[in-house]
Amino acid sequence: ETGVTQTPRHLVMGMTNKKSLKCEQHLGHNAMYWYKQSAKKPLELMFVYNFKEQTENNSVPSRFSPECPNSSHLFLHLHTLQPEDSALYLCASSQEDGLGLGYTFGSGTRLTVV
Amino acid sequence: GQQVMQIPQYQHVQEGEDFTTYCNSSTTLSNIQWYKQRPGGHPVFLIQLVKSGEVKKQKRLTFQFGEAKKNSSLHITATQTTDVGTYFCAASMNYGGSQGNLIFGKGTKLSVKP
Repeated sequence: ETGVTQTPRHLVMGMTNKKSLKCEQHLGHNAMYWYKQSAKKPLELMFVYNFKEQTENNSVPSRFSPECPNSSHLFLHLHTLQPEDSALYLCASSQEDGLGLGYTFGSGTRLTVV
Repeated sequence: GQQVMQIPQYQHVQEGEDFTTYCNSSTTLSNIQWYKQRPGGHPVFLIQLVKSGEVKKQKRLTFQFGEAKKNSSLHITATQTTDVGTYFCAASMNYGGSQGNLIFGKGTKLSVKP
């Protein structure tokens, strides 16, 4: 375990479904992130939360909706997704204190949209 | 937008051979981080470089940050099968020691033939 737990590990959903991805970090970090990892593309930053406040939304379609109820939990709500949204969704956390200890990633949710 | 170019995309080596991956940016970077992702796994933080010309070593891995802080390299001496995976550089443009939002390169996928 990395200290960042993502559920579910795998998800298959239809284009009309609504589902949520969950991320929980036990490291006391103050920043959390959602990244999308597709084949042949770099890791794409989707959303950033610092101290529970969303600080970045990288032009992500509205069918993805993040929620950060507290500094330990992060959700990604999904609705009416497209097949091209199939990817590995990674949650990460970090401590923004200048020590440069990097991001800690969860194991990811492998999403397949059918 | 901000980009970090990483080459090569793939590298196949014989066990025992050396391996190097390069990361380049057109803008000056605040710091650069390196991550390793094993097949089927998630990115794991290896190291952060902050100072111009900095060199850090971790056993058989040597990390360098260019004098102009626009490029970096990761060199593995005498590769082993356990080195297999994709190596990503990730750059931050934020100063003041903060990691900020990392921009990831596309990664170099290393395969090692026993």
